[in-house]
Order: sequence, then structure tokens, then C-alpha cells
Amino acid sequence: DVKVTQSSRYLVKRTGEKVFLECVQDMDHENMFWYRQDPGLGLRLIYFSYDVKMKEKGDIPEGYSVSREKKERFSLILESASTNQTSMYLCASRKPRGGSYEQYFGPGTRLTVT
Amino acid sequence: DQQVKQNSPSLSVQEGRISILNCDYTNSMFDYFLWYKKYPAEGPTFLISISSIKDKNEDGRFTVFLNKSAKHLSLHIVPSQPGDSAVYFCAASGGGGSNYKLTFGKGTLLTVNP
Repeated sequence: DVKVTQSSRYLVKRTGEKVFLECVQDMDHENMFWYRQDPGLGLRLIYFSYDVKMKEKGDIPEGYSVSREKKERFSLILESASTNQTSMYLCASRKPRGGSYEQYFGPGTRLTVT
Repeated sequence: DQQVKQNSPSLSVQEGRISILNCDYTNSMFDYFLWYKKYPAEGPTFLISISSIKDKNEDGRFTVFLNKSAKHLSLHIVPSQPGDSAVYFCAASGGGGSNYKLTFGKGTLLTVNP
């Protein structure tokens, strides 16, 4: 089974802090993604990486950056946390193969910025 | 511009009856559709998918129907069980851009009453 793990289930940070969210997958997947989920807004893509050291902006990249130095690890960085970044953050991974677009999700990190 | 729409924020069904969750999309370039199920405080889990070359895909109690001319898909759950109570997200891939990305709807909260 694919396993995607996230470093923290719950995190509380102060406004202005630099925040690191870590995601690790154990199935040698090339593609990795960061989403945030907010009530009434569904899942919105922040950044994705289609391979090591590659990254592309998603739909809402402002205020975030990412790092992918190793294939199994994809980090989301909040450079200066703000209260509007309080959200559920979800990491996902995918192995590109013909005819399948399925992404596997981690358990999520509930981030509260005070 | 919301390309994947789930117009019903919630749905309530009696145990044993059919649950029908609906999803509409606007981008005719989407060629693969997925349904995810999400419990509170957990990541989404993949449920079922369908390629645009098909109009139906079945897996146990779950069936997805695709009507390309109407740009509409639906998820049928028969019979519904209390454990099916969760938020269901419709997602689409393709869209003329990167095929790495999934575009999600806002979700429908399904409640199955015993």
C-alpha cells in the first residue's frame, strides 16, 4: 500500500513565524502535491512537483514556497505565517502511468496561525 | 472560474437507500474523472474513477456515470450505509493543461441515517 505521511497532525504557530510542513511518500512516486482544504472551498492546489528539484505553482501559491531535494520528500514552507493561512494542509503523491491520474493523500496537517 | 462544480453542499439519505452525488464540469478537455471520500481529520481516499471514453464504471456498491454531452457525472452508492457518511469530492484531470493536476469540486457532505 502507498503510504504518505505528514510530519505533524496539528500545529499552532504565531503570525510572522516561518513554518515548515514535511511530506514523505514511500512508493517512489515522481509527482507530489500540496493542497489546502477550507470549508466551502474544497481542495485547492498550492504547489506541485513532477520530479526531484522540479516545482510548479498551483492555483494559490502566494505566501508559500516548496522544496523537493529528494524524490520521497516534498516540503511546504510558509515564509511568514499569517492568520489567513490557518487551514488543513494535505500532501499527495502520484506515479505517472498510462491511464491513471489517481493521487494518494496523507492524513493532513491542521495548522492554526494565531 | 470554477471548472468542477458540486452544487449540493449536503445530502441526507436513509440507510439501505440509494445515494446519488452529482458533479458538473465546464472544461471539455477534461478526460479523466475521480471521486474521493474524506472523513474529518483524515486525508481523502480514492473511491472510483472513469475515463472519458466510458460512460459507466462500477465497483461493488459504487457506480460512476459520465454524460459527456451534458458535462455531468454522478456517483451512485447502493445500498447506502452509515459508514458512507463523509464528504465526497469530485475531481477531474486533463483540461488542456498539465496532466499532473487534479481540479476538485467543493465537496458534498453525505449523511446516511440509520
